[in-house]
Amino acid sequence: AQSVTQLDSQVPVFEEAPVELRCNYSSSVSVYLFWYVQYPNQGLQLLLKYLSGSTLVESINGFEAEFNKSQTSFHLRKPSVHISDTAEYFCAVSDRAGGTSYGKLTFGQGTILTVHP
Amino acid sequence: DTGVSQDPRHKITKRGQNVTFRCDPISEHNRLYWYRQTLGQGPEFLTYFQNEAQLEKSRLLSDRFSAERPKGSFSTLEIQRTEQGDSAMYLCASSSTGAWGFGPGTRLTVT
Repeated sequence: AQSVTQLDSQVPVFEEAPVELRCNYSSSVSVYLFWYVQYPNQGLQLLLKYLSGSTLVESINGFEAEFNKSQTSFHLRKPSVHISDTAEYFCAVSDRAGGTSYGKLTFGQGTILTVHP
Repeated sequence: DTGVSQDPRHKITKRGQNVTFRCDPISEHNRLYWYRQTLGQGPEFLTYFQNEAQLEKSRLLSDRFSAERPKGSFSTLEIQRTEQGDSAMYLCASSSTGAWGFGPGTRLTVT
């Protein structure tokens, strides 16, 4: 069984400040790791994913996350946030269900990021 | 790539009625998943299909819930005798090697 813990339910920050959204997971097997973003009244959008290789992964809009196997963490960071980053962010894990096919996702509770002007 | 689509987007029903939701996955994806998301929570896994075979069901999926994927393409999720606790967003996702996609969800309100 897998579980995901997002340590902060809400994170308020000012525009252009750095932010870190924390995620810890537990699993008895190797996993894939994901961050999803959900804007108000919209569906889930994949922000970035770790499958293998470099432990630092980046998104196209300036977010990055680092897989730390020893600490079983996958924290999300951005050096300078914008108002438009206001959304709910979900960390998720998937077991490696055969090759690179993805198994079911187990999600954290979500972190609401609110960027203030 | 037309993405994962779900129908309807919103459904309001009275307690005790049956409802059915449809999900059309990305065409080349052989895996299809249903999740439920309640306010303030992350999505919770309900069930999973590989092609037309339903391979896993969560304990959350009571006997009132049934899902099908008859030809390995679209899927339906039916809830019988709806209860107020069934009010949630029902999400469909599909995946294949190297890719995942989520639908916009069906928001169910049981009055």
